Amino acid sequence: AQSVTQLDSQVPVFEEAPVELRCNYSSSVSVYLFWYVQYPNQGLQLLLKYLSGSTLVKGINGFEAEFNKSQTSFHLRKPSVHISDTAEYFCAVSVSEKLVFGKGTKLTVNP
Amino acid sequence: DVKVTQSSRYLVKRTGEKVFLECVQDMDHENMFWYRQDPGLGLRLIYFSYDVKMKEKGDIPEGYSVSREKKERFSLILESASTNQTSMYLCASSFLIPSGGFGSTDTQYFGPGTRLTVL
Repeated sequence: AQSVTQLDSQVPVFEEAPVELRCNYSSSVSVYLFWYVQYPNQGLQLLLKYLSGSTLVKGINGFEAEFNKSQTSFHLRKPSVHISDTAEYFCAVSVSEKLVFGKGTKLTVNP
Repeated sequence: DVKVTQSSRYLVKRTGEKVFLECVQDMDHENMFWYRQDPGLGLRLIYFSYDVKMKEKGDIPEGYSVSREKKERFSLILESASTNQTSMYLCASSFLIPSGGFGSTDTQYFGPGTRLTVL
């Protein structure tokens, strides 16, 4: 069965520091990959997605992710975070009609 | 902009009550989904629907049923609410990417969530 592993459940960083949120997936077929963000008391919002083409994907709010097929990874990065980036981030892989989600990474940006 | 709305943001019900959670999308999406979200467990799929009157079980369907009579509306029903169904419920909708067989889900658009408390 296809699965998604987010390697860190919590990531604390200081404002303006770079951040990387790690995601690994297991799949034996072509994959479509997604990163979502959830701010407190809200639904999930798409940050970016990889369907095909360039392995470096740029998303909203200055985030980007790199698809690495050989390492089955799709890590999310931002070169300089803001307080407003504090949220929970979910990685997901498309499996037929469904998305399989990781358990989430809580990013806390401290002043 | 895609809009997915859910009937309530907060709901408090008593054990044994029948509970209806409604979700409406305005983008003519084929697929609709119901998830529950619990701390440390991420999102777990309860049911999904790929067409009107069609439904498929997700990972945790026990204690739930669904109804999709119109393309834009997908309802989640708790026949007899129990305290272990206290959770955040999220609805989503999406198009399909044609890719053989059923195809694959494209971006899922989420509603704001309903926080259900069962006393």
